[in-house]
Amino acid sequence: GENVEQHPSTLSVQEGDSAVIKCTYSDSASNYFPWYKQELGKGPQLIIDIRSNVGEKKDQRIAVTLNKTAKHFSLHITETQPEDSAVYFCAASIGNYGNNRLAFGKGNQVVVIP
Amino acid sequence: DTGVSQDPRHKITKRGQNVTFRCDPISEHNRLYWYRQTLGQGPEFLTYFQNEAQLEKSRLLSDRFSAERPKGSFSTLEIQRTEQGDSAMYLCASSFPTRGRLNYGYTFGSGTRLTVV
Repeated sequence: GENVEQHPSTLSVQEGDSAVIKCTYSDSASNYFPWYKQELGKGPQLIIDIRSNVGEKKDQRIAVTLNKTAKHFSLHITETQPEDSAVYFCAASIGNYGNNRLAFGKGNQVVVIP
Repeated sequence: DTGVSQDPRHKITKRGQNVTFRCDPISEHNRLYWYRQTLGQGPEFLTYFQNEAQLEKSRLLSDRFSAERPKGSFSTLEIQRTEQGDSAMYLCASSFPTRGRLNYGYTFGSGTRLTVV
């Protein structure tokens, strides 16, 4: 089955600096890669996603890059702000059968230091 | 409609008791998912429905677990004879397929945190 790994497990950055979280996946059939942000006591919230037919996608301060050959994708947050502090999960679709099951990584705790 | 609603938010139960959770998805979403999340881990897939049909179940979903979505709207997840290992956050999510796109992001609820004592 799909195995998704995230690195690093915890990331501390100074406010205004950039944060990068990297994920690897194992299933070459995966074709959809979302990122979720989870704040304490809340469910995960979709912040950006990318499909296998593109290599990069950007939405304001957030960007995601995908390297299908190497089976890794990364989340980039620029100009970090204290409200960016949360746990971030990457995920990959399990197969490409349209059922939209996702395999999640273990999450990264991002701490933005004011 | 304000998103995916889950009830209750918290549930404490004694080992061996049965519990039932409810999920109300976004009204126009025809797909509904249940995931389980334990401390320090990402969500793990349990099962999903398209309308009222339960199309897939994970091996994590033992015989003690049952899920229903009788009218294709809200869903319930029941755990019978709870065990301490069932303690987790149970997350519900819903989505609506866009024509031409097989995979798409879904909207999670805030979850039901179950503690089995």
